[in-house]
Amino acid sequence: GAGVSQSPRYKVTKRGQDVALRCDPISGHVSLYWYRQALGQGPEFLTYFNYEAQQDKSGLPNDRFSAERPEGSISTLTIQRTEQRDSAMYRCASSLARLAGGPLTDTQYFGPGTRLTVL
Amino acid sequence: AQKVTQAQTEISVVEKEDVTLDCVYETRDTTYYLFWYKQPPSGELVFLIRRNSFDEQNEISGRYSWNFQKSTSSFNFTITASQVVDSAVYFCALREGGTSGSRLTFGEGTQLTVNP
Repeated sequence: GAGVSQSPRYKVTKRGQDVALRCDPISGHVSLYWYRQALGQGPEFLTYFNYEAQQDKSGLPNDRFSAERPEGSISTLTIQRTEQRDSAMYRCASSLARLAGGPLTDTQYFGPGTRLTVL
Repeated sequence: AQKVTQAQTEISVVEKEDVTLDCVYETRDTTYYLFWYKQPPSGELVFLIRRNSFDEQNEISGRYSWNFQKSTSSFNFTITASQVVDSAVYFCALREGGTSGSRLTFGEGTQLTVNP
């Protein structure tokens, strides 16, 4: 079946512009995650959703970053007034998740990422 | 807070050699999950294995094997008879259990280069 897809794959923007990054999770996956990966480092958590509810946004670096998943499927990560330090690979992942009071154990499957470059 | 350490930044081997990638983790939770992901030169992040904290049984999948030892908080990954296609960055990751803390915490990664 289809995996996680992200668009655009590459985005070059000028400092101060807003950007919107899109993630389409694996069909039927309940949980959706956003990570940011700087060159030469491991991915760092930004935020995640169960269905349309944003469960944890503690990884968002500042209030210029926001995310939504209004219908519990596709998600958008928006960065306002971009800065050069925002340049990175932005990765989306999804998982089935089990929500009946038990631990969330399911594996996260990652999309190809969006390479953002802020000039 | 959780932490994952991959002390080996880069490893270079010759094809057919065995190679072990080290991963040490820190967590205060008694329930947690450990993962390995592969990032080939093409850039995608590919899931390899998941192990939960209650299962210390080692696992083998073809040329890949994983050694989980709670006593040393390690989850090492061995590739037997390495091949050029194994060249990639390998990430170890930790997820703490419970109803919260669904995030993955990744190590810095180990760049493995397998030379022909």
